[in-house]
Amino acid sequence: GAVVSQHPSWVICKSGTSVKIECRSLDFQATTMFWYRQFPKQSLMLMATSNEGSKATYEQGVEKDKFLINHASLTLSTLTVTSAHPEDSSFYICSQRSPQETQYFGPGTRLLVL
Amino acid sequence: AQKVTQAQTEISVVEKEDVTLDCVYETRDTTYYLFWYKQPPSGELVFLIRRNSFDEQNEISGRYSWNFQKSTSSFNFTITASQVVDSAVYFCALGNPYTGANSKLTFGKGITLSVRP
Repeated sequence: GAVVSQHPSWVICKSGTSVKIECRSLDFQATTMFWYRQFPKQSLMLMATSNEGSKATYEQGVEKDKFLINHASLTLSTLTVTSAHPEDSSFYICSQRSPQETQYFGPGTRLLVL
Repeated sequence: AQKVTQAQTEISVVEKEDVTLDCVYETRDTTYYLFWYKQPPSGELVFLIRRNSFDEQNEISGRYSWNFQKSTSSFNFTITASQVVDSAVYFCALGNPYTGANSKLTFGKGITLSVRP
């Protein structure tokens, strides 16, 4: 069964609005979750590492004020795309690392900014 | 620095053919993990296998088999008697033994496999 859930699976929004994506751990507590972005026909790009109870660690080139991450509990991390623009349209996927060192991925969220 | 190379970008086979997906990695870590994930058109990444660097045994799971060769830094994936449902993008990934923010996965660019009936 699913280990990680994501909500929503699809989002269509107007330019300038903010969008929140939730990532939930279903099987075990996750002190660390990961957020990726994937453009069509490309590989996954790590955006940031979400740490429970502390600030997220962002990859180089990812704007922390643009992509707000909150990891308030051991089972929930959220990614908020603030003031979304068409170039933010992408497939956003979260993952978590199990105690056995395997990363399990959520089903992803497709964001379309008009 | 870690790097994963999947030189094949697209492979097309006819159903029931065998197909091998190549993966070559680079790392300075002595302990590491190798993964294969399948991404069907729905988008979700499905975990297929994890291999530890100290375990070079090959593995077979049904029609899937994996060949880990440390000497050539390769972790190749073979699908025997391919089926249309195997059509997907397959990613090879390299993980390190660190925890927290340092426990990143490095992905290859993916191989698009199309299995024709």
